[in-house]
Amino acid sequence: QVQLQESGPGLVKPSQTLSLTCTVSGGSISSGDYYWSWIRQPPGKGLEWIGYIYYSGSTYYNPSLKSRVTISVDTSKNQFSLKLSSVTAADTAVYYCARGMASSGYYLDYWGQGTLVTVSS
Amino acid sequence: SYVLTQPPSVSVAPGQTARITCGGNNIGSKSVHWYQQKPGQAPVLVVYDDSDRPSGIPERFSGSNSGNTATLTISRVEAGDEADYYCQVWDSSSDHPGIFGTGTKVTVL
Repeated sequence: QVQLQESGPGLVKPSQTLSLTCTVSGGSISSGDYYWSWIRQPPGKGLEWIGYIYYSGSTYYNPSLKSRVTISVDTSKNQFSLKLSSVTAADTAVYYCARGMASSGYYLDYWGQGTLVTVSS
Repeated sequence: SYVLTQPPSVSVAPGQTARITCGGNNIGSKSVHWYQQKPGQAPVLVVYDDSDRPSGIPERFSGSNSGNTATLTISRVEAGDEADYYCQVWDSSSDHPGIFGTGTKVTVL
């Protein structure tokens, strides 16, 4: 059974960089079948796909965040990471990592439990 | 970018059938996926590729997709089905292909 676990600071100051890591267990991140994703959900609001990374390093980023987002992968640790720069209060959200499956599009079949990141001074 | 519209809320009595719609331009030409999210929990995939169920998801959950509307149907609704439900598509023709619907709160009366 694949499991994903987010880790990182729960509080980030405005203008700083949010950094989160997702550790994958029960399966290899180097498997060519999956796309490792970050999704966020502001309090009381809906889901927003931030982006994904393939084990080879190719990425997709949401155009609305693209200038501030970097997703990277460390296959030796079976982890992938999210960096979001120049954060504001609008970036306060629960951040989820998830495994993406490719079909005729992509869907997310396993999710981490999520971690709340608050942007505040 | 592509927009998916869901009703904000649906109410249903136990044992009845809940239908949650997801509207989008020619959505029938895309694969639609559905997630259930209970309060304080991560979303769970309940239907993928319009109508397939992951292992462990009850047969009471089914999906369909045609024209401009996709539908998630929950038969014989139980109290434990009360949750938010989100549809999702991947619009390859868009620069922002990963899209979630606005979400529907299902209330079991």
